Amino acid sequence: DAKTTQPNSMESNEEEPVHLPCNHSTISGTDYIHWYRQLPSQGPEYVIHGLTSNVNNRMASLAIAEDRKSSTLILHRATLRDAAVYYCILSRVRNSGNTPLVFGKGTRLSVIA
Amino acid sequence: NAGVTQTPKFQVLKTGQSMTLQCAQDMNHEYMSWYRQDPGMGLRLIHYSVGAGITDQGEVPNGYNVSRSTTEDFPLRLLSAAPSQTSVYFCASSNPGRKNTEAFFGQGTRLTVV
Repeated sequence: DAKTTQPNSMESNEEEPVHLPCNHSTISGTDYIHWYRQLPSQGPEYVIHGLTSNVNNRMASLAIAEDRKSSTLILHRATLRDAAVYYCILSRVRNSGNTPLVFGKGTRLSVIA
Repeated sequence: NAGVTQTPKFQVLKTGQSMTLQCAQDMNHEYMSWYRQDPGMGLRLIHYSVGAGITDQGEVPNGYNVSRSTTEDFPLRLLSAAPSQTSVYFCASSNPGRKNTEAFFGQGTRLTVV
């Protein structure tokens, strides 16, 4: 299965944009790119996902490189509540059932007031 | 909506005891999964199920059993607890389909084996 690489940690000032990178150089054509985040003492929560085109939702934007070998999660205005571990995950669509989400170590985002 | 419900929230076991962690979802999701998370680590996949009657192993299946007799429930059984199984356990459910939609996670079960 394709792997992802993320920085261990990042820091941002409150109310500034945050760009969280993810490399997935071995991605295949049927791999979806998912982002989840885990707030302290909680279960992971879905942030956004995409296949080829950039995606926007109320939480964030996902920018996918044209060759799909990297992607960037964009938080437009970081708040203290966005301090969390962010996971970039690939999940493959298969006829026998999509591959389950396999988590790496993620990026720990700290937000400074 | 209740979403994904895990019980119990906390549990202390003695080495060698058995127990079942419960997971139930009310979203009619086909996929369900169990993960464990050790301190300072990411989640590791234990077992997963793509539908009732179908289960498969994840990254760290040893020491755990699962079954999926209904769509709603996916219990995780520890047959003989070991201190190495001290962890926080998360259950998740989803209906990925062709669009690979989002997974929902429970709040976790914190298990300590002494």
